[in-house]
Amino acid sequence: AQSVTQLGSHVSVSEGALVLLRCNYSSSVPPYLFWYVQYPNQGLQLLLKYTSAATLVKGINGFEAEFKKSETSFHLTKPSAHMSDAAEYFCAVSVTSWGADGLTFGKGTHLIIQP
Amino acid sequence: EAGVTQFPSHSVIEKGQTVTLRCDPISGHDNLYWYRRVMGKEIKFLLHFVKESKQDESGMPNNRFLAERTGGTYSTLKVQPAELEDSGVYFCASSQDHQGWTEAFFGQGTRLTVV
Repeated sequence: AQSVTQLGSHVSVSEGALVLLRCNYSSSVPPYLFWYVQYPNQGLQLLLKYTSAATLVKGINGFEAEFKKSETSFHLTKPSAHMSDAAEYFCAVSVTSWGADGLTFGKGTHLIIQP
Repeated sequence: EAGVTQFPSHSVIEKGQTVTLRCDPISGHDNLYWYRRVMGKEIKFLLHFVKESKQDESGMPNNRFLAERTGGTYSTLKVQPAELEDSGVYFCASSQDHQGWTEAFFGQGTRLTVV
């Protein structure tokens, strides 16, 4: 069984500040981990993925995430927030490396950017 | 290239009525998935088609839900009769064959409100 916990349903940061969205997972097998973003009125878009290669994963739009097995975490960061980053972010875990097979999502975190 | 298309984008129906949601995957994608997000909760897996066959329907909540994918192209998800707890956003995703990791592309979802 797998589960994902995203700490904080809403995170507010100032434009230019560091973005940190937290994700902890539970998995009985080595996990594949994903971050998705949903902008208003759009579908879910893959930001980045961890599939057992490098533990520091770089994604689109300047985001990156680090897989820490000892902490069962996969936090999402961006050094400098931009207004266009305002969206809802979802962490997800899967036991397979393909497609959307059995993705288990967290509840999502709304990222609010203050001018 | 067109993305995953879902319609309607919104649907409001009365309890007891029938609603059919449609998903057009990206052309050539054999895998099609349905997910659902009930308000305030996680996005949850419903089922997975490979071409016209149901590969995994373990997430379907009950027999009021019927998914089809005739001809292996578009898919429909019918809810009959709809109940209040069926309200939520229904997402469809598609991906290519299972050859290593393949990204799944999500549609923007259908927001279903049962009143």
